[in-house]
Amino acid sequence: GESVGLHLPTLSVQEGDNSIINCAYSNSASDYFIWYKQESGKGPQFIIDIRSNMDKRQGQRVTVLLNKTVKHLSLQIAATQPGDSAVYFCAENTGNQFYFGTGTSLTVIP
Amino acid sequence: KAGVTQTPRYLIKTRGQQVTLSCSPISGHRSVSWYQQTPGQGLQFLFEYFSETQRNKGNFPGRFSGRQFSNSRSEMNVSTLELGDSALYLCASSLAGNYGYTFGSGTRLTVV
Repeated sequence: GESVGLHLPTLSVQEGDNSIINCAYSNSASDYFIWYKQESGKGPQFIIDIRSNMDKRQGQRVTVLLNKTVKHLSLQIAATQPGDSAVYFCAENTGNQFYFGTGTSLTVIP
Repeated sequence: KAGVTQTPRYLIKTRGQQVTLSCSPISGHRSVSWYQQTPGQGLQFLFEYFSETQRNKGNFPGRFSGRQFSNSRSEMNVSTLELGDSALYLCASSLAGNYGYTFGSGTRLTVV
């Protein structure tokens, strides 16, 4: 089966610093990846996605990097704010279904 | 536009009972997927429905079932509840599946 792993279960950063959340995936055939943010009591919220034909994609304060050679995905959040505190999931899709990691809990220290 | 609506938000059931959860997707979305979320396990895929047909299924026992209606609303049913079924059940909808998932806030099921 698939395995989508997150390198660190928890991450604490100072407000204003940049955050980097990592994710490893195992299926080299995965062609689409999504990062989700989940706040307490809410469902996962789409942040940014990237297709396998890209290495980098930028959004508002967020950047996703994809390294297909080592099957690694990262989410960078610039100028982290208290509202960024949440659990972040990466998900991979092989065209059949999505597989999610267990998540990284990001805490922003004021 | 309205998001994905899941009802009820919270549910407490006794072992052995059955439960039905409901999901109303975003208008126009024809794909509805269900996930189980438990601490430490992440989101586990249950099944996906598209145009009233189950298109994909995860590795859950037959006690977990679902269906989709002609208006794309979906229900999932869990029979003979076990303590381990306590979880947050999430529904996600998309236009055609695979891309652009939008999740609901989930139904928190507690089995006692």
